[in-house]
Amino acid sequence: GESVGLHLPTLSVQEGDNSIINCAYSNSASDYFIWYKQESGKGPQFIIDIRSNMDKRQGQRVTVLLNKTVKHLSLQIAATQPGDSAVYFCAVHFGNEKLTFGTGTRLTIIP
Amino acid sequence: DAGITQSPRHKVTETGTPVTLRCHQTENHRYMYWYRQDPGHGLRLIHYSYGVKDTDKGEVSDGYSVSRSKTEDFLLTLESATSSQTSVYFCAISESQQGRQPQHFGDGTRLSIL
Repeated sequence: GESVGLHLPTLSVQEGDNSIINCAYSNSASDYFIWYKQESGKGPQFIIDIRSNMDKRQGQRVTVLLNKTVKHLSLQIAATQPGDSAVYFCAVHFGNEKLTFGTGTRLTIIP
Repeated sequence: DAGITQSPRHKVTETGTPVTLRCHQTENHRYMYWYRQDPGHGLRLIHYSYGVKDTDKGEVSDGYSVSRSKTEDFLLTLESATSSQTSVYFCAISESQQGRQPQHFGDGTRLSIL
């Protein structure tokens, strides 16, 4: 199976700084990884995904890094804005099993 | 945003009553999922569907049943609600599972069982 953990339940970042949110997974055969953002009272919103044949993928202001050696995934948000305040969590796909979700990191932006 | 509508958005009911939650999609995606979200836990899969009338259990399926009679609708039923089923319920859809496509979520139903 697969289990997913996050390194920090909360993270506070100054507006304009970069944010880094981390995720660890257990199964080295996991092959697909997703980052979601969840605002209060809303459903998880897809941010970016990456497959295991890649180490890095960039989107608009976001970058996902995958380190398969240590089974670690990170989400970097550049120039953090107040609208980035939310809970962020990763999801990991392993084999024929369903997605396994982490519990999330609450990102707070300090003005 | 993916065209996913969950109804109702909020519901309060009593222990022992039946409850049905509805998920409606306009994306024509094959896969649909029901999750529950509780503090301290990641999203946990209740049931999922891989086509009309094709459903299967997830990791926390006890006390829940589902039905999918049309591509666009996926219903979750609590036959006899218990207080442990108080939770926020999310529906998700995806185009493909083997092709590794992301799941897209509705805005949830907050269910309280008194």
